[in-house]
Amino acid sequence: SAVISQKPSRDICQRGTSLTIQCQVDSQVTMMFWYRQQPGQSLTLIATANQGSEATYESGFVIDKFPISRPNLTFSTLTVSNMSPEDSSIYLCSVQRQGSEQYFGPGTRLTVT
Amino acid sequence: KQEVTQIPAALSVPEGENLVLNCSFTDSAIYNLQWFRQDPGKGLTSLLLIQSSQREQTSGRLNASLDKSSGRSTLYIAASQPGDSATYLCAVKYQAGTALIFGKGTTLSVSS
Repeated sequence: SAVISQKPSRDICQRGTSLTIQCQVDSQVTMMFWYRQQPGQSLTLIATANQGSEATYESGFVIDKFPISRPNLTFSTLTVSNMSPEDSSIYLCSVQRQGSEQYFGPGTRLTVT
Repeated sequence: KQEVTQIPAALSVPEGENLVLNCSFTDSAIYNLQWFRQDPGKGLTSLLLIQSSQREQTSGRLNASLDKSSGRSTLYIAASQPGDSATYLCAVKYQAGTALIFGKGTTLSVSS
């Protein structure tokens, strides 16, 4: 398994501001994924982050809005920029381990007022 | 478009019942399939992983089956308990190193 921590666990932010979410993994992993879960919905992939290269974004998500850093094999950050109430969601970090099993962090619950 | 569908969207059962949750996927060329549990306001807990070459996996009271040819998976929960109440998510991976594609989940409520 994998132990994944995220900071902050929750936050309430004002419209127009930005929030950076941190994801820390207990061991080195090649691929990290960032997902969004809007209220009452399932998970939607935002981007895939590989160490040493730019993140790959899914359709509907852009780097200016969701910049991602991956400075090493155990850490990544996702920034939600210029927030609006529509950005209120749970943001989850995920990693893939051997056998291609995927594990998830506890999530960051963001509320934008 | 690769999609994952889960039926039913919600299910309420009395304690002790055996139950089946269904998952279907449009493209049968999957790499693997995972079942997760999510408690309200929480992250995801991996329950079972089935590789494309496998037909089923078991963990305790849980059994997941996979029929690639028909594009279906089922999660069987035996002797349900109130603690099983949660949302169960099915997710499919189509290639190694790619992300999971999720269904919308089945919300299970088990009453005592």
